Amino acid sequence: DSGVTQTPKHLITATGQRVTLRCSPRSGDLSVYWYQQSLDQGLQFLIQYYNGEERAKGNILERFSAQQFPDLHSELNLSSLELGDSALYFCASSGTGRTDTEAFFGQGTRLTVV
Amino acid sequence: AQTVTQSQPEMSVQEAETVTLSCTYDTSESDYYLFWYKQPPSRQMILVIRQEAYKQQNATENRFSVNFQKAAKSFSLKISDSQLGDAAMYFCALQNQAGTALIFGKGTTLSVSS
Repeated sequence: DSGVTQTPKHLITATGQRVTLRCSPRSGDLSVYWYQQSLDQGLQFLIQYYNGEERAKGNILERFSAQQFPDLHSELNLSSLELGDSALYFCASSGTGRTDTEAFFGQGTRLTVV
Repeated sequence: AQTVTQSQPEMSVQEAETVTLSCTYDTSESDYYLFWYKQPPSRQMILVIRQEAYKQQNATENRFSVNFQKAAKSFSLKISDSQLGDAAMYFCALQNQAGTALIFGKGTTLSVSS
């Protein structure tokens, strides 16, 4: 158990809909990262939050957004869903952000868009 | 641009034998971190081994060891005494600075036969 919790584990939704994925980081971890794993694109970094503030952006679509709340949990919002958004979405957390290099991954949310 | 390349989409090994997975990377940083992650069928991302670029000594974790060649930007993973439980997808990853996102290779699927 990595200590990172993601909900839900599975999600099936229709094209055009909006979903929210939730992540609770390890206790004390300030950084949260979101990654997308798809068959054609592999594992791609989407966005990072550190202590409530956006720190870095990767290949995140404009239809996607994220936030980190005061209790440090994070949510990834995916809107106007397309078939190609079907993927495994991982959340990872790490320590202070400057000295701690190891990222701990949640079990992922499997999103299927039909 | 920072990139990670895993040139072996699939590898196979027999139990108790040794296998080496290849990884090359590109970065303009002088201090960075390299990782190997294992993803079994459960989809959980599990850290196998980590190497700090400033350390010349190759990292070792039980049956897992790396061959880190900084000048050649090569970072291979050696699995000794392979076990059935080693069957998984293995990802090589680069982290340019502590507390930043991971850049992943496309992965190598390792199968282990008895």
